[in-house]
Amino acid sequence: DAMVIQNPRYQVTQFGKPVTLSCSQTLNHNVMYWYQQKSSQAPKLLFHYYDKDFNNEADTPDNFQSRRPNTSFCFLDIRSPGLGDAAMYLCATSRATLEPEAFFGQGTRLTVV
Amino acid sequence: RKEVEQDPGPFNVPEGATVAFNCTYSNSASQSFFWYRQDCRKEPKLLMSVYSSGNEDGRFTAQLNRASQYISLLIRDSKLSDSATYLCVVNKGGNTPLVFGKGTRLSVIA
Repeated sequence: DAMVIQNPRYQVTQFGKPVTLSCSQTLNHNVMYWYQQKSSQAPKLLFHYYDKDFNNEADTPDNFQSRRPNTSFCFLDIRSPGLGDAAMYLCATSRATLEPEAFFGQGTRLTVV
Repeated sequence: RKEVEQDPGPFNVPEGATVAFNCTYSNSASQSFFWYRQDCRKEPKLLMSVYSSGNEDGRFTAQLNRASQYISLLIRDSKLSDSATYLCVVNKGGNTPLVFGKGTRLSVIA
């Protein structure tokens, strides 16, 4: 059974049209992450939540926002997608322990047209 | 210097070969170390954690050298199904985020 679920798997959006990607988890993990991964590159952390505490990476553009209404759900909002935002967006969860193994969702592949 | 550096490869090896991947990390405060495997257009999945004493899981052996800030992964008797990108991942523990290397691509050829 999938433990970290991302919807949709594939998303096509128009240039400049706001889009929301969603992630849900059944693991009850307190940490949730959003990563952006472009072709042949490492996953790049955008931000993460520790419970309700939001931690933004310094180089994450303002165009990217996130919401975590409860433990199970986390959303990534892209306010005005540009062509350069086309990528795979990965949601992951972990427990805040000394060895935080991360569990990833299957990702949402975003295309901007 | 990047936080986590890996040789990007690709490594093209014949079936049955032994192949080794290396990774270095810059933050001496790092506490946890992992190797993840990522298949093409799929999400990363944990392959194994890496411990100071070294650890082995079947054909896979991981080593950590804290003094040199160096992690390795050895794959013995390579299978076609081992073809993937192997990501070195480092963490400072607690609620700090995982930091990924760029990955090393492995192609095992029949």
